[in-house]
Amino acid sequence: EAGVTQSPTHLIKTRGQQATLRCSPISGHTSVYWYQQALGLGLQFLLWYDEGEERNRGNFPPRFSGRQFPNYSSELNVNALELEDSALYLCASNDYRGSYEQYFGPGTRLTVT
Amino acid sequence: KQEVTQIPAALSVPEGENLVLNCSFTDSAIYNLQWFRQDPGKGLTSLLLIQSSQREQTSGRLNASLDKSSGRSTLYIAASQPGDSATYLCAVKTGANNLFFGTGTRLTVIP
Repeated sequence: EAGVTQSPTHLIKTRGQQATLRCSPISGHTSVYWYQQALGLGLQFLLWYDEGEERNRGNFPPRFSGRQFPNYSSELNVNALELEDSALYLCASNDYRGSYEQYFGPGTRLTVT
Repeated sequence: KQEVTQIPAALSVPEGENLVLNCSFTDSAIYNLQWFRQDPGKGLTSLLLIQSSQREQTSGRLNASLDKSSGRSTLYIAASQPGDSATYLCAVKTGANNLFFGTGTRLTVIP
């Protein structure tokens, strides 16, 4: 069974640009979660999507947004990039109404210069 | 707000030693606690999940315990190996369905 996949692996952008990160959940999972792991800050919850709807968001500004498609894959968009947005972005999925265990993808390393 | 702390931040042990990693959380109203392993620059690998009603879970050389009332969990690794070198993260799931992570313990097992 394929795990959670993320693309691209690495992304380099300039300050002020927009970045788009993608995530495909494990087959059968309807929930997708996004987390940011910035240097020195630990893993922080960004967004939770389930059945195409945003269910919860962490303490991040509105320029962090996303969506979930009918096939349950998800995009994370970061607008007006700032240097401090440089981080590893991790996506996780689960069957929210079944097992609570979240399964993580390998991440996208975003570097803002 | 839930806060998760892991002690120690870093640990270096000789191969073969048994070791304990600690995790504490401030709000005992959790649904479950997960222990993860993260290799440098990589994603997370789930090691063990303990439901709030459980006391411990075991998988191979790993044993995790949970004391919800005192807000503590421990991860016990038996007979450590160099391949166990990684950062270990604990995370608690709250009613909001997101995970609160600790800052991790970086483990180095010396051959």
